[in-house]
Amino acid sequence: DAKTTQPPSMDCAEGRAANLPCNHSTISGNEYVYWYRQIHSQGPQYIIHGLKNNETNEMASLIITEDRKSSTLILPHATLRDTAVYYCIVRANDYKLSFGAGTTVTVRA
Amino acid sequence: DTAVSQTPKYLVTQMGNDKSIKCEQNLGHDTMYWYKQDSKKFLKIMFSYNNKELIINETVPNRFSPKSPDKAHLNLHINSLELGDSAVYFCASSPARSHNEQFFGPGTRLTVL
Repeated sequence: DAKTTQPPSMDCAEGRAANLPCNHSTISGNEYVYWYRQIHSQGPQYIIHGLKNNETNEMASLIITEDRKSSTLILPHATLRDTAVYYCIVRANDYKLSFGAGTTVTVRA
Repeated sequence: DTAVSQTPKYLVTQMGNDKSIKCEQNLGHDTMYWYKQDSKKFLKIMFSYNNKELIINETVPNRFSPKSPDKAHLNLHINSLELGDSAVYFCASSPARSHNEQFFGPGTRLTVL
């Protein structure tokens, strides 16, 4: 699987959009970009995934650059409950998820 | 009802003991997984079963033996526990082996003394 690079941490103000970057410059054509998050002391939670088109669901939006070498997860209106570690994962369409260090996002009131 | 449940939530035991962690999912999924999250918070896949058949075994010591009595259950048995086995173990499931979303349980914190 392609490796990903994420900033170790970031802060966000409550009610504002949180933009989480991820670099995956070695991504190959059949690999998808996935985002999961892990709230303290809980299991990881799926957020969104995409191949090359931008995606949106009730939790977030995923913007993938045209060359697919990077992506941004957008939480449109961050709340205190969005404080978590966010993982960007690149994988082929199989069953393995390889989690890196992720970005620790702290939403502040 | 909890979708993916694990028991126990906490497990403290002595080195050399044998212990089991149980996982059950009520989602009707075909595929189940075990992950280990170490003290540095890295989460790594250990095993995956699809319809009771082992499909992933990621270089895990053979002291770890998964058992799937049916597709709703995937238990993890650990023999001769070592200090380095201390970690949080997560069970997960997905509708199929290639399905995009995996649903994780709450985790079992294992401490080996």
